[in-house]
Amino acid sequence: GAGVSQTPSNKVTEKGKYVELRCDPISGHTALYWYRQSLGQGPEFLIYFQGTGAADDSGLPNDRFFAVRPEGSVSTLKIQRTERGDSAVYLCASSQYPPGELFFGEGSRLTVL
Amino acid sequence: RKEVEQDPGPFNVPEGATVAFNCTYSNSASQSFFWYRQDCRKEPKLLMSVYSSGNEDGRFTAQLNRASQYISLLIRDSKLSDSATYLCVVPYTGANSKLTFGKGITLSVRP
Repeated sequence: GAGVSQTPSNKVTEKGKYVELRCDPISGHTALYWYRQSLGQGPEFLIYFQGTGAADDSGLPNDRFFAVRPEGSVSTLKIQRTERGDSAVYLCASSQYPPGELFFGEGSRLTVL
Repeated sequence: RKEVEQDPGPFNVPEGATVAFNCTYSNSASQSFFWYRQDCRKEPKLLMSVYSSGNEDGRFTAQLNRASQYISLLIRDSKLSDSATYLCVVPYTGANSKLTFGKGITLSVRP
């Protein structure tokens, strides 16, 4: 497809489990962003990749969160030992010329029971 | 001051009304600004970019006041279809190119 693709669209897990969320950006976009959004809030910045490297990971809340983009395209956000407070919609976006227009995927809704 | 702050909401206006939202930012070095629109349970999409003093697109006008460090979005002749959440976005210069979103302002346009 032509847009940003995120999988899974919905994920329900139990507290303490490990979760991976995948993002496939628009082809040719070098910049990739992860955000998370809770109900009634704006998207909260997590991490930004330029190519394969994390240019800014200052938004990752703690060391349970980690993201990779090994070949400069697909990215995976990894969450260890999930907590109920991690429940949110995780949004991925890509951009061709940062900080220009972001193109968002439909998000992965994570629910931690 | 928080990196990005938006007017508290929600806004509930009749069709045809003019409504304005404000957003303040803390980083005086920011050069470009954006307004995104987010429909209920959908992803945000770019509405307007603001690179200089302002930008106009049909019923929508975005303005930038660098001295006071705020951007505004004006919607004239509101339509039912304008009902959505409006997010202001401020990027930061240099290697740290994260884009910070405001909390969002929810607009409801009633018949």
